[in-house]
Amino acid sequence: QSVLTQPPSASGTPGQRVTISCSGSSSSIGNNYVYWYQQLPGTAPKLLIYRNNERPSGVPDRFSGSKSGTSASLAISGLRSEDEADYYCAAWDDSLSGYWVFGGGTKLTVL
Amino acid sequence: QLQLQESGPGLVKPSETLSLTCSVSGGSISSNTYYWGWIRQPPGKGLEWIGTIYYSGSTYYNPSLKSRVTISVDTSMNQFSLKLSSVTAADTAVYYCARQSGSWYWWFDPWGQGTLVTVSS
Repeated sequence: QSVLTQPPSASGTPGQRVTISCSGSSSSIGNNYVYWYQQLPGTAPKLLIYRNNERPSGVPDRFSGSKSGTSASLAISGLRSEDEADYYCAAWDDSLSGYWVFGGGTKLTVL
Repeated sequence: QLQLQESGPGLVKPSETLSLTCSVSGGSISSNTYYWGWIRQPPGKGLEWIGTIYYSGSTYYNPSLKSRVTISVDTSMNQFSLKLSSVTAADTAVYYCARQSGSWYWWFDPWGQGTLVTVSS
């Protein structure tokens, strides 16, 4: 069972805007940055969003992140077929001696 | 461009020790800017952080795995390694290594391609 909670699936048609939620706790999302990773089929995860809402060089501005309290969201606008992938949220959790926690992943299908 | 490559046996017997190495190219593992992490992903499941190391040897482990994990660094070879003892079928996963920027609690980027380790007799 993952410490961060994501919906298992999401879908949209090309051009649409979709959002993926990520729920945590005061010791994880509530007190630390949220990160988002994209995992295309058969490949390693790739950093999509860091520090809640910043995009690494090369990531299109169609992808955006936000955080409020103990929850976060990833928004994808102008959905494209190549966005079909698994998306994971992640955050550092301050409990115990501190450790990384991930969401269970959301499989995005472009209809 | 920094690249990471995992290597090691693809099959490990139950109760034995899993050993993997991550070779870093295109950058120095001794940089004081970066940390180096291991993450795993069981087939069809989500991601789990295993641990992180700094070039000085400082380590940070997932509390759930801490009793079985050892991560070490070899700066002369520009690589770092993972040992996971007393493995069971539940340790079957794709194991990834990745760089972390600035701290052990900051993001993983880039990642290696991953290597599948199956625990089976």
